[in-house]
Amino acid sequence: KNQVEQSPQSLIILEGKNCTLQCNYTVSPFSNLRWYKQDTGRGPVSLTIMTFSENTKSNGRYTATLDADTKQSSLHITASQLSDSASYICVVSVSGGYNKLIFGAGTRLAVHP
Amino acid sequence: DGGITQSPKYLFRKEGQNVTLSCEQNLNHDAMYWYRQDPGQGLRLIYYSQIVNDFQKGDIAEGYSVSREKKESFPLTVTSAQKNPTAFYLCASRTMHFDDQSQHFGDGTRLSIL
Repeated sequence: KNQVEQSPQSLIILEGKNCTLQCNYTVSPFSNLRWYKQDTGRGPVSLTIMTFSENTKSNGRYTATLDADTKQSSLHITASQLSDSASYICVVSVSGGYNKLIFGAGTRLAVHP
Repeated sequence: DGGITQSPKYLFRKEGQNVTLSCEQNLNHDAMYWYRQDPGQGLRLIYYSQIVNDFQKGDIAEGYSVSREKKESFPLTVTSAQKNPTAFYLCASRTMHFDDQSQHFGDGTRLSIL
């Protein structure tokens, strides 16, 4: 069964600190992995996308890693800001067909001053 | 500005009533999708359409219906057969070009039961 699991479920950090969110997946056949940011009451917005051959991808203070052997990904946020408070969703795309996406349940991050 | 517009932002349904959620995109995307988001769960696919006048059931299509009469529009009807409709509904679209597989999302409609 195709599945994406994220941890932790929720996280509270102080402004300026770093944090790392985890994603484990069992999806086959694998096409790519994305991290989305979803603000409360809004739609998800793509942060990064990585294919099978890519190990790391950065977008400003966000850095995603992918280990295709262990089927794990992480999203590292550097020097957190209050605006980073959101849910972060790991999404794996299934190769072929209609672009089927398997969504994780997300990690809810709260950045406190 | 190009984007996906969902309306209304909030919607309330009475027992036995059908309600329709609107989704319009001006990105010239071929494919459109409807997802349901419940607390603590990943998004689940309701219906998708890759071309006008054609659509396919997703993982949780029961109690929902769609139409795709225009490329820009993909409305979702939540019928009275959907016994637990309270959720956040997200519409997405995507170009079919191979080099851009990103699904772009609207800002959702929150549906509640009166």
